[in-house]
Amino acid sequence: EDKVVQSPLSLVVHEGDTVTLNCSYEVTNFRSLLWYKQEKKAPTFLFMLTSSGIEKKSGRLSSILDKKELFSILNITATQTGDSAVYLCAVEPNAGNNRKLIWGLGTSLAVNP
Amino acid sequence: NAGVMQNPRHLVRRRGQEARLRCSPMKGHSHVYWYRQLPEEGLKFMVYLQKENIIDESGMPKERFSAEFPKEGPSILRIQQVVRGDSAAYFCASSLSGAYSNQPQHFGDGTRLSIL
Repeated sequence: EDKVVQSPLSLVVHEGDTVTLNCSYEVTNFRSLLWYKQEKKAPTFLFMLTSSGIEKKSGRLSSILDKKELFSILNITATQTGDSAVYLCAVEPNAGNNRKLIWGLGTSLAVNP
Repeated sequence: NAGVMQNPRHLVRRRGQEARLRCSPMKGHSHVYWYRQLPEEGLKFMVYLQKENIIDESGMPKERFSAEFPKEGPSILRIQQVVRGDSAAYFCASSLSGAYSNQPQHFGDGTRLSIL
């Protein structure tokens, strides 16, 4: 069965800290891995990763995929209170015309001032 | 606002009533997805639609649930004869194109359905 496991489930840090969030997966056929940020409302798209070893970067956030070891990490440097959210990892299996996403439970990040 | 629009934001129904959830995709998007998020659980895929077509409904319960995306108007997720277990947040997402593309799914704010 396809599954996505995120760790840790929750994390509390101080402003300015660097955090690393983990996502491991098992899928029959892999198409892409996506990271989203959820703050009480809509999951907001962060990154889509399809190739191993290529870092995607957006400001203080970056992510990389390892298709051999079946995991991805999301890094946030110099954290701010506005980074407090649930970070969701999802995998899209390569299944023909299908586009469903398999989701992890998320990592709840709290950044204290 | 050019984002995915869902309404209502909150919906309260009594057991046995019908619930209709609406989703207007982002402008230019013709692919719509519905997900359900139960308390303490992750998002679960329900159904994937294109205009006038259901592409994949493998995540939909076999009874009481249906979805459509007509040629004109929003996508509708319909739950008949609701039960307490249907209480959840229902999220809609849309994408510019379908499979074999690198277009991510963008999400609406969700509809929180509460069953009394």
